[in-house]
Amino acid sequence: EAGVAQSPRYKIIEKRQSVAFWCNPISGHATLYWYQQILGQGPKLLIQFQNNGVVDDSQLPKDRFSAERLKGVDSTLKIQPAKLEDSAVYLCASSPEGSPYGYTFGSGTRLTVV
Amino acid sequence: GQQLNQSPQSMFIQEGEDVSMNCTSSSIFNTWLWYKQDPGEGPVLLIALYKAGELTSNGRLTAQFGITRKDSFLNISASIPSDVGIYFCAGQLGFGNEKLTFGTGTRLTIIP
Repeated sequence: EAGVAQSPRYKIIEKRQSVAFWCNPISGHATLYWYQQILGQGPKLLIQFQNNGVVDDSQLPKDRFSAERLKGVDSTLKIQPAKLEDSAVYLCASSPEGSPYGYTFGSGTRLTVV
Repeated sequence: GQQLNQSPQSMFIQEGEDVSMNCTSSSIFNTWLWYKQDPGEGPVLLIALYKAGELTSNGRLTAQFGITRKDSFLNISASIPSDVGIYFCAGQLGFGNEKLTFGTGTRLTIIP
């Protein structure tokens, strides 16, 4: 099966600019996650969707970050305006409903804010 | 928030050596998972543990779920060059679709 697709792979922007990332999960996977991985750290959950509803966004900095999952398939994560500390890899992951086997991550988008 | 501490932070070993790393938590998790991350890629699941005291193997990898549910270890036997990467433990309060709390990572390097 095809994996979790993310684009772009790399993005460099200036602080205060806006940026958007796209994720296409594995077909049929109901749950989609966005994680932020700062260099040298483990990934941290930003937001979790079940179909097109939000399950957990408690760690999402809502003053600048937003995410949507239209029609319960693809998802976009947006940052507006970006700060230097947003430099990180943004990982998307998906899992089938009720699966006990963890979930599948995409290759991520590496964001550098200068 | 919750944090998982991994040790060692980095390891430098020779090919063929055995490797051991562990992960501790200040709180209980009901599922422990071990992931490997290669440069430029997302984490890939190696082993999942669901019961306290459980010992599970996957080829040369062996992991155990601590009896207190606050720790886990991962062993790699007879290391090979493709074992190079960063290993993360992750805990879940439940299992399956719940969020993962990741550890700080152990970077494994094989010295020629």
